Amino acid sequence: SAVISQKPSRDICQRGTSLTIQCQVDSQVTMMFWYRQQPGQSLTLIATANQGSEATYESGFVIDKFPISRPNLTFSTLTVSNMSPEDSSIYLCSVGQQYGYTFGSGTRLTVV
Amino acid sequence: KQEVTQIPAALSVPEGENLVLNCSFTDSAIYNLQWFRQDPGKGLTSLLLIQSSQREQTSGRLNASLDKSSGRSTLYIAASQPGDSATYLCAVGGGQYSSASKIIFGSGTRLSIRP
Repeated sequence: SAVISQKPSRDICQRGTSLTIQCQVDSQVTMMFWYRQQPGQSLTLIATANQGSEATYESGFVIDKFPISRPNLTFSTLTVSNMSPEDSSIYLCSVGQQYGYTFGSGTRLTVV
Repeated sequence: KQEVTQIPAALSVPEGENLVLNCSFTDSAIYNLQWFRQDPGKGLTSLLLIQSSQREQTSGRLNASLDKSSGRSTLYIAASQPGDSATYLCAVGGGQYSSASKIIFGSGTRLSIRP
């Protein structure tokens, strides 16, 4: 299965700033997925990123708040913009392959 | 819209017991179902993947079953150990091709095995 490198692993950010999270996959994949896991909760899909086109966002998530880039088939970034304490969560990227889904190790974001 | 439910939300059992975790989903048109384990503060570890054409998968002390028609899956853990303590997540993949389809997660079962 694919191996995903995600960074940073954690960060503490000031309110009103932005953080960009990166995911690098060791193989070419069509779709990459970005999830959010709020404290004590399960994973919620933010958006699906396809190379060469705009990301598709789930209900409740907008591009201005969570812009995504997908410049090639092995890399994607998610930016959390104009952060507030409510954005404190773990953010994970994922890819799906024939043998299931693989996740990055996650980025633990704390907004103060 | 697919909805995935897991019960119980939390479970505490003594070491050595066999246990069953449940997952149900509302739309039976799925491509696959995957069980994950998540330790506190950590990422997700894939445990078992069941394709829609399969009925069950086994790995060591773990056995997962799938009944598409009833919208249910179970994860059976035999001879539980304290190291099994974690949150177990069920995720359902829809669409024709898994690599192009998003997966929807259940809320998870927080399992605690008492020594």
